[in-house]
Amino acid sequence: GAVVSQHPSWVICKSGTSVKIECRSLDFQATTMFWYRQFPKQSLMLMATSNEGSKATYEQGVEKDKFLINHASLTLSTLTVTSAHPEDSSFYICSAQNQDGGLYNEQFFGPGTRLTVL
Amino acid sequence: AQSVTQPDIHITVSEGASLELRCNYSYGATPYLFWYVQSPGQGLQLLLKYFSGDTLVQGIKGFEAEFKRSQSSFNLRKPSVHWSDAAEYFCASLGFQKLVFGTGTRLLVSP
Repeated sequence: GAVVSQHPSWVICKSGTSVKIECRSLDFQATTMFWYRQFPKQSLMLMATSNEGSKATYEQGVEKDKFLINHASLTLSTLTVTSAHPEDSSFYICSAQNQDGGLYNEQFFGPGTRLTVL
Repeated sequence: AQSVTQPDIHITVSEGASLELRCNYSYGATPYLFWYVQSPGQGLQLLLKYFSGDTLVQGIKGFEAEFKRSQSSFNLRKPSVHWSDAAEYFCASLGFQKLVFGTGTRLLVSP
């Protein structure tokens, strides 16, 4: 149980185009999903937190107009990188959290999406 | 600000030997601490977590970690490493419902 998928697993696009990455919780409902960015040999950096049916909360320094996040259902969140540029090339990881109450709800991570912008 | 430090970028251990991966945290209150493992092409998998109580925490795959408040550490250990343990390991702490990760330690296992 508690499986999170991401699609695509890798994508190559031209500079100036937009890319959409999907994050799905396959066997549980995720009220909250998180989007992380991971640079080579660096840690995961939280980009934004999305709650189903409401606007995402972005971390300081993350451009909300560039990284559009939609969490339209309890099993799907999407991250769209708009007008992508080479500096947006990175490994993007999502996680999903089920809300079963308690002090802490575990985050389950997707396998990540490698984005390369030419 | 809350931070997590993993001082070793990579470590090489012989198969069958013991392992200890270091993690130091910076947090005023009692932290919630985690160890995750990431294999190539796969997501992060939770190995173990510490919230309170017994400072020696047992996890999956034979891993354990010990919380030492005096040293602000939460080191991960395994008595006998298997080749399949080769992966990237991340220590993380939880603050304000957000996970803060260390930079990771890559474990290499030699025959």
